[in-house]
Amino acid sequence: DAGVIQSPRHEVTEMGQEVTLRCKPISGHNSLFWYRQTMMRGLELLIYFNNNVPIDDSGMPEDRFSAKMPNASFSTLKIQPSEPRDSAVYFCASSAPSGADTQYFGPGTRLTVL
Amino acid sequence: AQSVAQPEDQVNVAEGNPLTVKCTYSVSGNPYLFWYVQYPNRGLQFLLKYITGDNLVKGSYGFEAEFNKSQTSFHLKKPSALVSDSALYFCAVRDPYGGGGNKLTFGTGTQLKVEL
Repeated sequence: DAGVIQSPRHEVTEMGQEVTLRCKPISGHNSLFWYRQTMMRGLELLIYFNNNVPIDDSGMPEDRFSAKMPNASFSTLKIQPSEPRDSAVYFCASSAPSGADTQYFGPGTRLTVL
Repeated sequence: AQSVAQPEDQVNVAEGNPLTVKCTYSVSGNPYLFWYVQYPNRGLQFLLKYITGDNLVKGSYGFEAEFNKSQTSFHLKKPSALVSDSALYFCAVRDPYGGGGNKLTFGTGTQLKVEL
């Protein structure tokens, strides 16, 4: 059974460019989470979805960040325009519709904005 | 509000010795508690969780954790550490009745270093 899939694994871009990160959750999972990890700020929850609906986006840093989940098997996190301070590892995680709520993480996308 | 604290940035242990990675939490009700491990350049990997029942929870790779409600703690333990256990460990909490939905709050992480 495939785990959470993220693409690309690495992204290097220049300041001002648009960046799109992609996530495919585990089949059957109905919650999807986007996190950002940096040395300075640790692991931060950016946004999460239940049944494709955004529930809490209070962690989204600013309007340059947006996330969508058009269906149960796909989500995107977009940064437009990107800035050097957005450089981080971005993780996607998903969890099943049960009370146990174990989140399973993808391998992450390492974003470098020059 | 739910929160979790990992008071140690780093823990050093000799191989073969027991290890403990500390975690304390704060929730308004009964918590769901989790431990995750992160190896270099990898995603977080689930180790174990406490939802209800026995206070001692056993997980992957020989790890266990003990839920202590009076001390609001959920320390991660292993009787005999291996060099391969060296990694970053995260404690996480969810208050199922706190109105925060099903999001987890993660600690800042503890770097475990096991030396020969």
